[in-house]
Amino acid sequence: DVQLVESGGDLVQPGGSLRLSCAASGFTFSNYWMHWVRQAPGKGLVWVSRINSDGSRTSYADSVKGRFTIFRDNAKNTLYLQMNSLRVEDTAVYYCGRVGNGAFYFEKWGQGTLVTVSS
Amino acid sequence: QSVLTQPPSVSAAPGQKVTISCSGSSSDIGNNYVSWYQHLPGTAPKLLIYDNNKRPSGIPDRFSGSKSGTSATLGITGLQSGDEADYYCVTWDNSLVLFGGGTKLTVL
Repeated sequence: DVQLVESGGDLVQPGGSLRLSCAASGFTFSNYWMHWVRQAPGKGLVWVSRINSDGSRTSYADSVKGRFTIFRDNAKNTLYLQMNSLRVEDTAVYYCGRVGNGAFYFEKWGQGTLVTVSS
Repeated sequence: QSVLTQPPSVSAAPGQKVTISCSGSSSDIGNNYVSWYQHLPGTAPKLLIYDNNKRPSGIPDRFSGSKSGTSATLGITGLQSGDEADYYCVTWDNSLVLFGGGTKLTVL
């Protein structure tokens, strides 16, 4: 069964750092592009970042560029999001999503992990 | 403010039909596939429609999608109480992924 399980969400102070993980199982992780999407309280889903199957290409939303880094460890079947210089407005549930090669849609999503940035 | 424009809310009675629009531009919807997702906050979003009008296995034919020019539409017929959720359109624009602002569906 295909599963994506996010973890690492926590309460952190503004300016702090946090690393999120997304553990994949039930499929060949190294064949898929992976994305992070977030939802702030009371707001809609917003795309954050993506990485290609071998980790050589990444893209970021302007709101996180220069502060967040997406990377992956295909040997551990895990996707990561390193978040630095966190702001109050980064408070959100963060979801990881799988996109097939050559596809333009999210085939599978995780349940999300909550990041709260507050003093 | 989202690049893709959706109505904030729609509503209809059980058994009725509802449509949700998604408006973009020539560089996003006009030049790329659109997908649609059903979401209850705190849960995993669910793929309803991909490549403008295709349904994944397990999605009933009550759900349909279409695209014309720079706009796309999700249709839901035979509304059920379980359809109450937020619905999002998504498309690509070069290396970026664009989400609509979301539409809250209320089944009266």
